Amino acid sequence: DTGVSQNPRHKITKRGQNVTFRCDPISEHNRLYWYRQTLGQGPEFLTYFQNEAQLEKSRLLSDRFSAERPKGSFSTLEIQRTEQGDSAMYLCASSSSSTSNQPQHFGDGTRLSIL
Amino acid sequence: GNSVTQMEGPVTLSEEAFLTINCTYTATGYPSLFWYVQYPGEGLQLLLKATKADDKGSNKGFEATYRKETTSFHLEKGSVQVSDSAVYFCALRSDRKLSFGAGTTVTVRA
Repeated sequence: DTGVSQNPRHKITKRGQNVTFRCDPISEHNRLYWYRQTLGQGPEFLTYFQNEAQLEKSRLLSDRFSAERPKGSFSTLEIQRTEQGDSAMYLCASSSSSTSNQPQHFGDGTRLSIL
Repeated sequence: GNSVTQMEGPVTLSEEAFLTINCTYTATGYPSLFWYVQYPGEGLQLLLKATKADDKGSNKGFEATYRKETTSFHLEKGSVQVSDSAVYFCALRSDRKLSFGAGTTVTVRA
């Protein structure tokens, strides 16, 4: 079990630039989730995929954010025209739908800093 | 909507002390409840879970019981160690997504 892998671990960029993060879920997991965590707060749900289908998006996910999961494997989260308020830790999690009540397993996150 | 409220920290304890972190929730229906832990420099790890009323989750000496009547899921450990120093998050799952509390930072001193 290699766990959920996220890249890069850290990203520093200037305001207005575009950034893309990648998440590789646990191989047998068909569900994939993105969360955002700001300092001193718990993670907040952004979006969720089952296989390649994006089934739910939070109102936190403005039109500058887009997530994809081509072929139902890895996922990318892109932020266009970054703003100071986008600075946060972006967490990816995965789970299996094979049996009920399977927990979500988290990656170590990508920390985004906007200069 | 769904929400989780947990005890504010930071909490500082001596080794072998008793730890309790309060967690209450608001949700429609019957959510599953979780405690996640984040050790320094590491990602979120599932500590324990409970999926229905009166279930007790336990792991690494930690326990929490799903109390539907008080909408609570308090975390307890009878004798903490320095290695338990971490941030603890209470969470509920409804409609497949997790809602987290703000986290409680626990520091255990030798």
